[in-house]
Amino acid sequence: EIVLTQSPGTLSLSPGERATLSCRASQYISSSYLGWYQQKPGQAPRLLIYAASTRATGIPDRFSGSGSGTEFTLTIRRLEPEDFAVYYCQQGITFGPGTKVDIK
Amino acid sequence: QVQLQESGPGLVKPSQTLSLTCTVSGGSMNSGGYYWTWIRQHPGKGLEYIGYIYDTGGTYYNPSLKSRLTMSVDTSQNHFSLRLNSVTAADTAVYFCARGVFGGGMDVWGHGTTVTVSS
Repeated sequence: EIVLTQSPGTLSLSPGERATLSCRASQYISSSYLGWYQQKPGQAPRLLIYAASTRATGIPDRFSGSGSGTEFTLTIRRLEPEDFAVYYCQQGITFGPGTKVDIK
Repeated sequence: QVQLQESGPGLVKPSQTLSLTCTVSGGSMNSGGYYWTWIRQHPGKGLEYIGYIYDTGGTYYNPSLKSRLTMSVDTSQNHFSLRLNSVTAADTAVYFCARGVFGGGMDVWGHGTTVTVSS
């Protein structure tokens, strides 16, 4: 069973700053099946990135994904006020525990 | 565009069966290239994958729920369903349905429905 670990648990940043979120898998996973989701309070998750680095439809280009093997990264180039949320990585039937990006 | 909407009782008694339906609008379930998922989120917690079903009826269930779980699909009605039996308070959660794209993540989600297990 693959376990996904996300770090940090909470990231406190200011608007305009760069956010770097990590997702580590307990064993090798195919990049084809690694996704990132954003969830705001009271809302359903929203797909940001699939296949590790492909932005989903309508996702701004300040969001980018990278990585392979066991190490994956979601980068938000310049945080906008609407980007403060919880971010989950997912592979197959496994979700990571999430990283909360909150306002510093 | 495709939209998903969960429906079902918001309150279920312990030991009974939780039944939810996800209705798909704006597109056909059997247009190919998709699978149909259920995901839940316990209060204040992360996301838990329940399972998925294809338009052909093939399923995958989370092993931790497999013994209590049944999913079904009715493409003529454009909906799919979940039944979870012998529920306990630990099944209290927000239940989401979502469309999965082969190789493309889960791109369309319902708003979620809150299910509370309580007597």
